[in-house]
Amino acid sequence: GNSVTQMEGPVTLSEEAFLTINCTYTATGYPSLFWYVQYPGEGLQLLLKATKADDKGSNKGFEATYRKETTSFHLEKGSVQVSDSAVYFCALSSISGGYQKVTFGTGTKLQVIP
Amino acid sequence: NAGVTQTPKFQVLKTGQSMTLQCAQDMNHEYMSWYRQDPGMGLRLIHYSVGAGITDQGEVPNGYNVSRSTTEDFPLRLLSAAPSQTSVYFCASSLGQKQETQYFGPGTRLLVL
Repeated sequence: GNSVTQMEGPVTLSEEAFLTINCTYTATGYPSLFWYVQYPGEGLQLLLKATKADDKGSNKGFEATYRKETTSFHLEKGSVQVSDSAVYFCALSSISGGYQKVTFGTGTKLQVIP
Repeated sequence: NAGVTQTPKFQVLKTGQSMTLQCAQDMNHEYMSWYRQDPGMGLRLIHYSVGAGITDQGEVPNGYNVSRSTTEDFPLRLLSAAPSQTSVYFCASSLGQKQETQYFGPGTRLLVL
């Protein structure tokens, strides 16, 4: 079956540091890949996505590239801010039995300190 | 648009009680689903629906029932609450059957004593 593996957190960074959160996946076929972000006390919201190999998703300074050869979708940001403190979920979506099936990673908590 | 709404925000139940978690969306999305979020386990799919009148089980369906009588609403019923069902529950919707973005509600925090 499909699976998503994320680096365990929490990750603590100083403001303006470089961020990488690793994500690798196992899936058959050609899944779409997503990063969702969850701020404290809220539901998940889409951060970025990529639907095919070599696509780069980007939003709010975050980027991730769909690497089929390494089955990875690592999240990066050049300079984090305190407001980026949240939990980040990597996810993949594929079609199974004609219907969408979404698999989430366990989430990585990011804490950015001033 | 209100997006995906969930009620209640927080609920305390005693073991054996039943209750219904409400979920509604106003985006005319076909696909709706329920997840539970537990520490260190990410989100796990409980039940999902691909349209009115069609539901199916996800990864962890035991102890939960769903129905989908309208496109807008997708309630989750706990038949006889157990402490193991203490969790945060999220409802999500997406436009259709393709590999599309999911829109999440704000969540319901449930404590079963």
